[in-house]
Amino acid sequence: DAGITQSPRHKVTETGTPVTLRCHQTENHRYMYWYRQDPGHGLRLIHYSYGVKDTDKGEVSDGYSVSRSKTEDFLLTLESATSSQTSVYFCAISEATRDQPQHFGDGTRLSIL
Amino acid sequence: AQTVTQSQPEMSVQEAETVTLSCTYDTSESDYYLFWYKQPPSRQMILVIRQEAYKQQNATENRFSVNFQKAAKSFSLKISDSQLGDAAMYFCAEGGATNKLIFGTGTLLAVQP
Repeated sequence: DAGITQSPRHKVTETGTPVTLRCHQTENHRYMYWYRQDPGHGLRLIHYSYGVKDTDKGEVSDGYSVSRSKTEDFLLTLESATSSQTSVYFCAISEATRDQPQHFGDGTRLSIL
Repeated sequence: AQTVTQSQPEMSVQEAETVTLSCTYDTSESDYYLFWYKQPPSRQMILVIRQEAYKQQNATENRFSVNFQKAAKSFSLKISDSQLGDAAMYFCAEGGATNKLIFGTGTLLAVQP
């Protein structure tokens, strides 16, 4: 299995609080991604990174920010959490674009009350 | 815009029988990849099979094979000799130039003993 660790695995917090989710990889892969999974929507891309300090937006980026200061860590931050951000969040990594599949972490279940 | 459609929210198959899960997609990319991921109740996202769009030959991985119809933009997954462990949610996904995956909404497969 790809060495991907997401933390925390579960989190419950209140509306308006900041939340940071961490994705840590031991594979030295260049590309990292954050998705959210909601019923009826499958997985949707929030942000991705193509190198240290290089990030770009996905299809559902509003309300989220990311940072990547080291190859192995990709952080997802909800500056002021809202109930609509209750979801399961997945991190993924890939070695390169196109021909390399993405490997996923085990997900973080985030509940915002 | 890229879209991926899975028109079967739920499917059921008898153990040892064959089942086909449907997926259609729409993309403006000329070079892209298609994937099937499996998500069991454990929530892990597991790569089942992938297909390069430039290859005419259908991909096969043991009991899993695809029927890739490029002109029709169709990418179905066939599971032969179904096993109880195949019960899961299956997601079809398409990745283009930056490997930002677009996922379908999933098909929940039940395997009856």
